[in-house]
This record gives sequence, structure tokens and C-alpha cells, in this order.
Amino acid sequence: SQKIEQNSEALNIQEGKTATLTCNYTNYSPAYLQWYRQDPGRGPVFLLLIRENEKEKRKERLKVTFDTTLKQSLFHITASQPADSATYLCALENGGFKTIFGAGTRLFVKA
Amino acid sequence: GAVVSQHPSWVICKSGTSVKIECRSLDFQATTMFWYRQFPKQSLMLMATSNEGSKATYEQGVEKDKFLINHASLTLSTLTVTSAHPEDSSFYICSATRGSGAYEQYFGPGTRLTVT
Repeated sequence: SQKIEQNSEALNIQEGKTATLTCNYTNYSPAYLQWYRQDPGRGPVFLLLIRENEKEKRKERLKVTFDTTLKQSLFHITASQPADSATYLCALENGGFKTIFGAGTRLFVKA
Repeated sequence: GAVVSQHPSWVICKSGTSVKIECRSLDFQATTMFWYRQFPKQSLMLMATSNEGSKATYEQGVEKDKFLINHASLTLSTLTVTSAHPEDSSFYICSATRGSGAYEQYFGPGTRLTVT
């Protein structure tokens, strides 16, 4: 069956360091992959979309990689700040416009 | 741009009553809207996909007679939880995409439903 795996354990890092979150998937061949940020009690906010023919995408302090051979995406936040603390969701296209979300990884950035 | 609102943000209702949740795209026309529910520390679970003027497509296991979806216009979709029960208590979130070929979803702030 299809699976999206994100590290369920929270990631704790020091302010200024680079946070790296992992998204692994099985039994998918997504045309694109997305990352969202979700704060407690709020709806997710779109961050980045990367297509299957793109290896890397950047937006300000964010960088996403997409390895279709490894079936993995890495999400990096450089020069992390306490305001980056949130849950980050990986999402895959699953045919047409349907998107399947991972459970997310909670990130805590300590000042 | 791409702001989606939901109303109400939270609601408490008694078992057996119905609750309507509205989802509006404020500054764009949403070709497709999605309804999700989310349990604490769990992923978003897609309930249904709706396109303006047509019937919603429900995911397997989601009762369409229980969760009525109406996508009346390009800026408004509603979810009605009929004959609510305590197990329907959850966080309901809508999202919208704009334009054909657009994949990123713009989410509303969510509605916390508590059924007593």
C-alpha cells in the first residue's frame, strides 16, 4: 500500500542551525511533492512545490530536494529561528489533483 | 493573495443536531475545494473533493449522507455534518486551488467541532 513517512519524533535544534526534515514514500510515483507548515490549531500553509524533474528548489531560507530514485525529499531551513517552530507536512500528488499528506514532523527551534 | 476563510472557527453542538461549516476563497476563484478532517497529532485525512456546480467526490469510508458538501459558487463551499455524534468531534479544514493546473492548496484556518 502507499505510504508517506515523516519522522514522528520532534526535531529540536538551536537557533541559527540548519534544520533538515525527511519525507520518505513508498508505492508512489508522484509528479510533484509539496511541503506545508502547520501551526497548532491552524490550517497548513503552502511553502514549496517541487516537480519530479527538479532535483532542488529554493525559497529564501528554505530548500527542498526531491530524489525519485530514493523516493525521498529533504526539507532544509537554514539559519533557523524560533519563529520557524511548527509542524512541517510533506504532501504527494496521488493522481489528478488529489494530495496525500504525511503526519508531519514537529520542529522546535531554541533561542 | 490566496486567502481562504472558514466559519465558524469553533462550534459546540449537541448530539443529534446538524452543523454547517462554510469555506470561502476571499480573493480568488477556487476551481476545486477540498475538505479534510484532522485528529490530534495525525495527518490530514481527505474527506471529499468538490468542484463548483457538481457533486462532491467522497473518499472511501466517508458517508456522503452524513457529511453533505455543497459547492454553490466559485468562492463558497459548505460542509454540513448531519445528526452529529461525539465521534464526529474533530478539526475540519477546507482548502482550495486556483486555476487549472495549480496544485498548491490554500487552506482555511480550520473549524474545531465538539459534539457533546
